[in-house]
Amino acid sequence: AQRVTQPEKLLSVFKGAPVELKCNYSYSGSPELFWYVQYSRQRLQLLLRHISRESIKGFTADLNKGETSFHLKKPFAQEEDSAMYYCALLNTDKLIFGTGTRLQVFP
Amino acid sequence: DAGVIQSPRHEVTEMGQEVTLRCKPISGHDYLFWYRQTMMRGLELLIYFNNNVPIDDSGMPEDRFSAKMPNASFSTLKIQPSEPRDSAVYFCASSFSAGVEQYFGPGTRLTVT
Repeated sequence: AQRVTQPEKLLSVFKGAPVELKCNYSYSGSPELFWYVQYSRQRLQLLLRHISRESIKGFTADLNKGETSFHLKKPFAQEEDSAMYYCALLNTDKLIFGTGTRLQVFP
Repeated sequence: DAGVIQSPRHEVTEMGQEVTLRCKPISGHDYLFWYRQTMMRGLELLIYFNNNVPIDDSGMPEDRFSAKMPNASFSTLKIQPSEPRDSAVYFCASSFSAGVEQYFGPGTRLTVT
């Protein structure tokens, strides 16, 4: 079955520390993966997608098919990165979301 | 462009009452999605439409839930009768086509007492 797993509900770091938000998926085929972010009092929005291979707000995510992972990384966390992060997998027309990880960045 | 519009933003109702949530997608978007967000289960897809036609409603929890899209600019999600376990934030999202970025509304926070 297609599934997205985000094992951490909460990740707390200090400003300037590296961040890695974990995402593992289960999919029979060539996966297409996304990271969505929800800042406080804002709408859920797309952060990045793996086919774009781009860095957004200093975040990157590499698809590792061997480990079936799509972890989100940032070398130096900022306070404004505090938000809820969702990993999502495209399954035909629809997205399957993980349960989300709340990132808290302390000053 | 105001983006995806949802109403009401907050709804408090008593168990057994009918609840109707409304959504206006972005003009020109062919896909509309309804999601439910809870602490325990995260973001779950309830149902989605393509060109106003329901494509997949396998995420609808039970018969108490129903959704319609009478035209390209309006959709409703109805819960009848409502129960306390339906308390959640309900999001509507739309997209131009399949597999591209989905644009989310601000959500409706539903509390059933």
